[in-house]
Amino acid sequence: GESVGLHLPTLSVQEGDNSIINCAYSNSASDYFIWYKQESGKGPQFIIDIRSNMDKRQGQRVTVLLNKTVKHLSLQIAATQPGDSAVYFCAEATGNQFYFGTGTSLTVIP
Amino acid sequence: DSGVTQTPKHLITATGQRVTLRCSPRSGDLSVYWYQQSLDQGLQFLIQYYNGEERAKGNILERFSAQQFPDLHSELNLSSLELGDSALYFCASSLRGSGYTDTQYFGPGTRLTVL
Repeated sequence: GESVGLHLPTLSVQEGDNSIINCAYSNSASDYFIWYKQESGKGPQFIIDIRSNMDKRQGQRVTVLLNKTVKHLSLQIAATQPGDSAVYFCAEATGNQFYFGTGTSLTVIP
Repeated sequence: DSGVTQTPKHLITATGQRVTLRCSPRSGDLSVYWYQQSLDQGLQFLIQYYNGEERAKGNILERFSAQQFPDLHSELNLSSLELGDSALYFCASSLRGSGYTDTQYFGPGTRLTVL
């Protein structure tokens, strides 16, 4: 199968700081990338997505950056809040096939 | 609340048994996806249906099967269960069933424990 990996399994940040979660992917043909947030006991929740013809996309307090040269994806969360504590997954898609990373656990320290 | 419902919430069964997991998509969504989430493998895409037809297949074992009914709810059948099938099973739904910007909304999951 495809390989979607995360650089760091855990990340702790101070409330109010910015968070950066990184993800590497292996399939240069992937054309769509998604970030999900999963809180304890819940299903994954869509955060933001980006197509392969873009290198940056912004949402509310979140920004996704795509570097196709090095096959790297990152999620930036501005002014991190306690409610942002969760596991974050990146996923890559080729057609209708989706491949997920194992996730990064983000802990926000009040 | 994503609008996707899954039943049951928890399921405990024995090896060799067969179980059925049920999913109701969000109102208006035509596509349903099934995923398996285990501690050692993360979230694995199993299968996708669109308007009753199978659209994409991922890492789904032959012991597993799924279908989507005319009312668009879906069932995932797991048979000859093994200890390694213990996991969280998520269903997601989307409007068009096409990857591009077709947001998938996940249900709360069914936790399956095989003893």
